[in-house]
Amino acid sequence: QKEVEQDPGPLSVPEGAIVSLNCTYSNSAFQYFMWYRQYSRKGPELLMYTYSSGNKEDGRFTAQVDKSSKYISLFIRDSQPSDSATYLCAMLKTSGSRLTFGEGTQLTVNP
Amino acid sequence: GAVVSQHPSRVICKSGTSVKIECRSLDFQATTMFWYRQFPKQSLMLMATSNEGSKATYEQGVEKDKFLINHASLTLSTLTVTSAHPEDSSFYICSASGQGVREQYFGPGTRLTVT
Repeated sequence: QKEVEQDPGPLSVPEGAIVSLNCTYSNSAFQYFMWYRQYSRKGPELLMYTYSSGNKEDGRFTAQVDKSSKYISLFIRDSQPSDSATYLCAMLKTSGSRLTFGEGTQLTVNP
Repeated sequence: GAVVSQHPSRVICKSGTSVKIECRSLDFQATTMFWYRQFPKQSLMLMATSNEGSKATYEQGVEKDKFLINHASLTLSTLTVTSAHPEDSSFYICSASGQGVREQYFGPGTRLTVT
């Protein structure tokens, strides 16, 4: 069983829709949570970084962490065609610097 | 956010030759740098972790004599693919994090094609 599970999609939504992306994890040692956006043939771009359970908002993006359920989410409001990319969740344990990634969810926002 | 650059962005080389890829942190001191490779439609695979001034720590299955990593300064790490073969063709991406910082910032990646 993978430590981090993420539905690879693909996910296709109309412009303006609210997008929900999710990851689950099995190891409670994960304490730091990140969401990256990766456009085709580019390096991942850090979107959100959270530590504690709860919500963190940045513009149209909201990251949510529920440590009791071992479940994290990224919400994108008013989605735009430029949001079309692969979204990767990533996690860090308390000790160590090795990121554990989900498989990535491929998102397409249709105009 | 912090900026990480990579050079070259794309390289084509002949089988048997060596290729060097540079990774630079432009606006912060990167105490730790990471090298990944990524195959099409797959997630990132960590190859090695390097701390400035120390030898790199390689992941299981990654040949340290084939993938030479140098992290000689707080802003520069290099990955040299020695005696490259077509199966080494891939997208190589570096990332960096600063002292006491958990987030990793990624470079734009280098596409290596070995003919």
